[in-house]
Amino acid sequence: GAGVSQTPSNKVTEKGKYVELRCDPISGHTALYWYRQSLGQGPEFLIYFQGTGAADDSGLPNDRFFAVRPEGSVSTLKIQRTERGDSAVYLCASSLIGGDEQYFGPGTRLTVT
Amino acid sequence: DQQVKQNSPSLSVQEGRISILNCDYTNSMFDYFLWYKKYPAEGPTFLISISSIKDKNEDGRFTVFLNKSAKHLSLHIVPSQPGDSAVYFCAASKSGNQFYFGTGTSLTVIP
Repeated sequence: GAGVSQTPSNKVTEKGKYVELRCDPISGHTALYWYRQSLGQGPEFLIYFQGTGAADDSGLPNDRFFAVRPEGSVSTLKIQRTERGDSAVYLCASSLIGGDEQYFGPGTRLTVT
Repeated sequence: DQQVKQNSPSLSVQEGRISILNCDYTNSMFDYFLWYKKYPAEGPTFLISISSIKDKNEDGRFTVFLNKSAKHLSLHIVPSQPGDSAVYFCAASKSGNQFYFGTGTSLTVIP
């Protein structure tokens, strides 16, 4: 079956702009995670959804970052007033239930110029 | 503060030999540990996991060992194959909400 997909694969934006990153999880997976990976680092947890609700958003770095999952499937990570330090690969993962092994998408590479 | 550490950024092993990748953690509340493999331009792929109630889990050529007293886990790959060349991340979780990843070890298997 289809894996986790993320769009766009690459996004270049100017400092101060707003961006949206989309994640389509595996069908039937109730849990969805967003991570950020900088060069030479491992994935860094941002937010975890169980169904439609954010079960844990403690990893979001500040209030410029927001994520939604209105129907319990597709999720969108939104970044306002982007800064150069936001440049990273943003990874989405889903799992059948929370706490289970996660299946990752290929990531969106965000570059803020 | 890095709660999961992989102190070896890279490892080279001859084809057919054993690869041992190490991982240390600081939080004794972690109860679930996983290993992921990552190729360039792809997301991490789940390899193997272990619950804190076990000390060993085996799946084909891959075995994960957990030493809770030392807060250490390792991934053994035997025999190593050139297709195993990738970056390996260990990850840990408590209660399944947040997963903490190490910085990765780049494994090169030499034919």
